[in-house]
Amino acid sequence: GAGVSQSPRYKVAKRGQDVALRCDPISGHVSLFWYQQALGQGPEFLTYFQNEAQLDKSGLPSDRFFAERPEGSVSTLKIQRTQQEDSAVYLCASSLARASGYNEQFFGPGTRLTVL
Amino acid sequence: AQSVTQLDSQVPVFEEAPVELRCNYSSSVSVYLFWYVQYPNQGLQLLLKYLSGSTLVKGINGFEAEFNKSQTSFHLRKPSVHISDTAEYFCAVSDVAGYSTLTFGKGTMLLVSP
Repeated sequence: GAGVSQSPRYKVAKRGQDVALRCDPISGHVSLFWYQQALGQGPEFLTYFQNEAQLDKSGLPSDRFFAERPEGSVSTLKIQRTQQEDSAVYLCASSLARASGYNEQFFGPGTRLTVL
Repeated sequence: AQSVTQLDSQVPVFEEAPVELRCNYSSSVSVYLFWYVQYPNQGLQLLLKYLSGSTLVKGINGFEAEFNKSQTSFHLRKPSVHISDTAEYFCAVSDVAGYSTLTFGKGTMLLVSP
C-alpha cells in the first residue's frame, strides 16, 4: 500500500509569509508525528497526535507553529510569519497503534522549507 | 529526557572495507534503540532496532548493532560496505513507556568510495 506522503515537497517562502505543510499518513494509522530537521542536524520532535487529539506539542518552537489533524487522518503543520530560522525539512511519520511501547514509525519524504 | 551522541559527523571508507558508526545515549528511563538511514531527498528508513533480549541485533542490508548497557552504546557495524551504502545514518532512542517519540543524534554521513 501507499506510504506516508507529504506535500509540497519543496516550499520557498518570503520572510513573514504563512505556510501550510500537509501530511497524509498511512491509512488506519492512529499515531502521527511531526519532526523538524535543520541542515546538518538530526530530526527533532515537534508534536504528536493520537487520532485527532494533539497529545504532545512540547517540541513546537514558538506560538507561530500550529498543527492540526481534525478528522484523525490528514494533518497540517502551519507556520505563521515565517522566519529564516524556520528553514528546514519537515518530516511526518505515522504508526499503527496508540498504546505505549514499541510502534514502528513510517516516515514521509519530507517538505523542504526555505525562507528567504 | 534522553539524548543521543553520534561521535563522527562523517566516516569515509573504501568499498568492501568494514565500518563502525558510533552511538552513545543518555537516559534516566528504559529506552528502545534504533538506527535509521536517510538517502538524499528521501525519508528515514529503519535499519534495525533493539527492544529487548539479545544485545546483538541484525537489520537490513547486512548491518548489525550491539547494545551495551554498561557503556550506554549502540554502535552500528557492517563487515563489508558497498557504494550504495553511502547515506546519512541516524541513531535514535525512544522512551519505553512513552508515545514512541524519537530522539535522534545529529547523524553520521557514511561516504563509500571505490
